[in-house]
Amino acid sequence: DAGVTQSPTHLIKTRGQHVTLRCSPISGHKSVSWYQQVLGQGPQFIFQYYEKEERGRGNFPDRFSARQFPNYSSELNVNALLLGDSALYLCASSFSTNTEAFFGQGTRLTVV
Amino acid sequence: EDQVTQSPEALRLQEGESSSLNCSYTVSGLRGLFWYRQDPGKGPEFLFTLYSAGEEKEKERLKATLTKKESFLHITAPKPEDSATYLCAVQGSGAGSYQLTFGKGTKLSVIP
Repeated sequence: DAGVTQSPTHLIKTRGQHVTLRCSPISGHKSVSWYQQVLGQGPQFIFQYYEKEERGRGNFPDRFSARQFPNYSSELNVNALLLGDSALYLCASSFSTNTEAFFGQGTRLTVV
Repeated sequence: EDQVTQSPEALRLQEGESSSLNCSYTVSGLRGLFWYRQDPGKGPEFLFTLYSAGEEKEKERLKATLTKKESFLHITAPKPEDSATYLCAVQGSGAGSYQLTFGKGTKLSVIP
């Protein structure tokens, strides 16, 4: 069975640019969440989507946005990139909003 | 606001030397407490979910327990391949209840 897949695995961007990260959940899972993990810290919640609707949003600026498609895949968009946005971005899928979350391998974003 | 504190930050063990990792939490109504294992540069790997005080779960050399204020991850006779960062997370039933709140993790090193 395919797990959670994220693309790309690595990405280098310049300050001020825009980035789109993609996530495909486990088959049958309808909820996708996004987390940001900086080095030495635990993952920090950004968004949760369930059945294509936003169900939760963490303490991140409006430069961060996301959406979920009819096939339950998801995109995370970040505008006007800052050096501080450099991190491992993790996608997690779960069957519903309060069941176990399974993470993908992450996208390592470096902003220079 | 949900909070999770993990201790110690780092732990070095000799192969076969059993020990425990601690996760202290404050949460507005616990929906679930989750343990994950994370290898460097990779996404967290799900280990256990605990729902109520007194609950215990085991998997190979790992055993997770839960009280009303903390959880322990007991590692019995660890092997070098158990080396990783172990993350604890809670999901509460208050505002923002869909998110997982993570601790910073305990970095475990098992020396042959």
